[in-house]
Amino acid sequence: GAVVSQHPSWVICKSGTSVKIECRSLDFQATTMFWYRQFPKQSLMLMATSNEGSKATYEQGVEKDKFLINHASLTLSTLTVTSAHPEDSSFYICSARVASGNTIYFGEGSWLTVV
Amino acid sequence: GESVGLHLPTLSVQEGDNSIINCAYSNSASDYFIWYKQESGKGPQFIIDIRSNMDKRQGQRVTVLLNKTVKHLSLQIAATQPGDSAVYFCADSTGGGNKLTFGTGTQLKVEL
Repeated sequence: GAVVSQHPSWVICKSGTSVKIECRSLDFQATTMFWYRQFPKQSLMLMATSNEGSKATYEQGVEKDKFLINHASLTLSTLTVTSAHPEDSSFYICSARVASGNTIYFGEGSWLTVV
Repeated sequence: GESVGLHLPTLSVQEGDNSIINCAYSNSASDYFIWYKQESGKGPQFIIDIRSNMDKRQGQRVTVLLNKTVKHLSLQIAATQPGDSAVYFCADSTGGGNKLTFGTGTQLKVEL
């Protein structure tokens, strides 16, 4: 089946630094990728929609200058958390929509801890 | 605004019994619905989907029912197994697979 890979699976960074999370569709092309944030015991909150070759569309309340999203190819999207603070610590999940259809597959998520 | 919500935050069932997880959605324009399973510390796993032109769809041990009249979606799991223990989310979208709106989730606990 379709596989979406996220890297790193977990990362610890110091306050003030930036960290990049990659989302790759391994066996299909994805024109659209989505980035979510999830706190413990809560649902997934959509942060932004990433379209290949164009600027990402951010949800209301999500700072685009803090959460930089790049979708440079049909198989890769990146989320960069800039000037990270402890409150940015969370589980970040990406998903990818198959270019030839509507099915959406999720990555395994990336745990970010800012200390 | 549009929202997808679940009636029960936690559902406990005995192993071997059938499970029914319910979901209510509010956006009458939603035409695509998906159920996901999320195990602790992992990303959501696709279970089954259904489009608005259908009322029922069956998979392996799972059935999704859609009632557009009352904007209600349910996931039925037959012969529930310990490995089914997880949080289940429903999600909906418009335009067939675009931006998904997730519900709050239901924790399914399977008791031996």
